[in-house]
Parts: sequence; C-alpha cells; structure tokens
Amino acid sequence: QITLKESGPTLVKPTQTLTLTCTFSGFSLTTYGVGVGWIRQPPGKALEWLAVDYWNDDNRYSPSLKSRFTITKDTSKNQVVLTLTNMDPVDTATYYCAHIRRVGGNSNVLFDYWGQGILVTVSS
Amino acid sequence: DIVLTQSPDSLPVSLGERATINCKSSQSVFYSSNNKNYLAWYQQKPGQPPKLLIYWASSRESGVPDRFSGSGSGTDFTLTISSLQAEDVAVYFCQQYYTTPPTFGQGTRVEIK
Repeated sequence: QITLKESGPTLVKPTQTLTLTCTFSGFSLTTYGVGVGWIRQPPGKALEWLAVDYWNDDNRYSPSLKSRFTITKDTSKNQVVLTLTNMDPVDTATYYCAHIRRVGGNSNVLFDYWGQGILVTVSS
Repeated sequence: DIVLTQSPDSLPVSLGERATINCKSSQSVFYSSNNKNYLAWYQQKPGQPPKLLIYWASSRESGVPDRFSGSGSGTDFTLTISSLQAEDVAVYFCQQYYTTPPTFGQGTRVEIK
C-alpha cells in the first residue's frame, strides 16, 4: 500500500526559505522507474506542478520556478525534500507530494497516489 | 507548455442526470507510436487531495465506479458522469502527461442543481 505524507512549517515569512518533507511508504526510490513529484494549489485555484525526483537522480523542475527550487531525496528514510527560496505571499498554497506511475519515460508524469497536502501560508 | 482549457467552469446537474466536462489541449497529446492519449482526469473533493479517475483518456482507475467514463483523442477530451450521485460533487481536473512540464486544466466544479 502506497502512502505519502507532507510535513513542514505552515507559516513562513516573505523572503524566507521553505523546506517541505515528503515521507512515503510502499515503494522505494531506489527502484527502477520510480518517481515522486510535488504539486501545489493556491486556495480555490488550479493545480500547479513544481518538481519531480526520479530513482536515477533525474530531477525536473517547473521552468517558471526552476531557479528557486531544489529537490533532494534520502532513500534510507524514504523521504523527498523540496526547498523553495525567497518565499512570497503568492506562494501561499497547499503543497502536495505524489507518487508517479510509470507510463513511459521520465517526461511522462502521471500522479496516482497523493499525500493529504500541507497548507503553507506566506505572511509577515 | 501545453495549455489545457476546461469547460464549463461550473456545472449544476440534477441527481441522476448526466454530467459532461470538456478539456481542450493546445496541442495533441496523442502518441501514434503506441496509439495512446496521454490525458488523465482527477476528482477533488473539498479538503481532500486529487484522486486519479481516468488515465490514457479512457481507462478507469481501479475502484472507480463505471458511471465515470472518459473519451476523446488528440486535443479534445470529455469526462462523463452518466448518472450524477451526491458523492460526485467535486472539482474535476484534466492533466496531460505527454511531456514535461505536466499541466492541468483550471478545473470544473460539479454541483447539484
């Protein structure tokens, strides 16, 4: 059974760095083809893909946010960590991590299991 | 980036009636090499994460009721709920996984009329 859970601060100040951790079970990021992605959703708005980390260290980022993101993994802890620098109130959103179903290559990103999400508010 | 545009934004439907949601892609998400459309549909209920309903444009995820169906090819896709139940009230999103970055439609809110 695949499960994922996001953790981290729920309130950050503008210009601060946000670090979110996705802790998962039911799969391993050392297995061929496995990936974990991050998606966010501002209140009442649409979903926005942020980044993905694959078993082979192929990390991909949203082009519009690439300069602010870092995604890393700790395979011994079954965790993926997303770091977003220079936070702004427009970054206020629920942040989700999700398991990626293998449907082709690393460019084909389909999310099949999602964490419950964590609402992060950016405010002074 | 591939832009997905859903219509309508909001859809009031009576219980037991059909609900139809459209998703139009700015470019084709069909791969001729494997004859597949790289298009998925998700359901999101209030306070919950999205749930995968349909992938390959028309394949139902395990456990999804058969009143949900997906159709279409290339750039035009449809999600149909054949007989709306109270528990189907949610926002529905399409997503393309044809290429990175994966992109989502803006969502369609289905409510009871």
